[in-house]
Amino acid sequence: GNSVTQMEGPVTLSEEAFLTINCTYTATGYPSLFWYVQYPGEGLQLLLKATKADDKGSNKGFEATYRKETTSFHLEKGSVQVSDSAVYFCALSGRNTGGFKTIFGAGTRLFVKA
Amino acid sequence: EPEVTQTPSHQVTQMGQEVILRCVPISNHLYFYWYRQILGQKVEFLVSFYNNEISEKSEIFDDQFSVERPDGSNFTLKIRSTKLEDSAMYFCASTSGGTSNQPQHFGDGTRLSIL
Repeated sequence: GNSVTQMEGPVTLSEEAFLTINCTYTATGYPSLFWYVQYPGEGLQLLLKATKADDKGSNKGFEATYRKETTSFHLEKGSVQVSDSAVYFCALSGRNTGGFKTIFGAGTRLFVKA
Repeated sequence: EPEVTQTPSHQVTQMGQEVILRCVPISNHLYFYWYRQILGQKVEFLVSFYNNEISEKSEIFDDQFSVERPDGSNFTLKIRSTKLEDSAMYFCASTSGGTSNQPQHFGDGTRLSIL
C-alpha cells in the first residue's frame, strides 16, 4: 500500500540556518506529493505540492522536488526564521480502492531559535 | 480565500456519550473527508464522502462512526458511544475534484476530549 516516511524530529536550528527535512514514499502509480505545515494550536495548511516527476513545488522560501528515481520529496529552505517553527508533514495522494485520500508521514517538529 | 470551518473548536464529552462534530466545506467542493490526529501522532484517514455516500473508510471507522451531509453546506461526523481512545483532533477536509493532484483543504480541527 501507499506510505510516507519522513525523518524523525525534533529538528532544532538557529535562525538563518539551512533546513532539510527528508521524505520518501512508497506508492503504486503516480501519486501527487505535498508538504503541509501545522503551526502550534492550528490546523493543517498546504505549504507546497508537486504532481509529477521532476516538478518543484515552492512557497514562502520552502521548496521540494518530486524525485521519482529515489521516491523522495525532501523539503528545503535556505534560511529559516523563528516563525517557521511548526510541525511539517509530508503527504501523498493517490488513487485507492474508493477514490483519493491523503496519506501523511509522522510529521517533523521544527524549532528555530533566535 | 474560502476556507473549511469546523465547530466546535473543543468538545469535552463523557465516555459513552454521543458526539457530533460539524464541518462546513468550501462551497463548490464535492469531495469530503475526515481525518484524526491523536496527540503527538500522525494524521490518519478516517473516511471519504462523495455524492452522498461513503467512497472509502479506514479500519478506524467502525460501526460507532457515521457521516452525514444533512443539507447543502454541512458535513458531520458522529461518534455514537465515545471511548477514551477517541480523544484526538479531528480534521475535516474538502476538494473540488476527484483527482490526486488536488490538495485537500483542511479546517482548523476539533479537539475532542473524552473523560
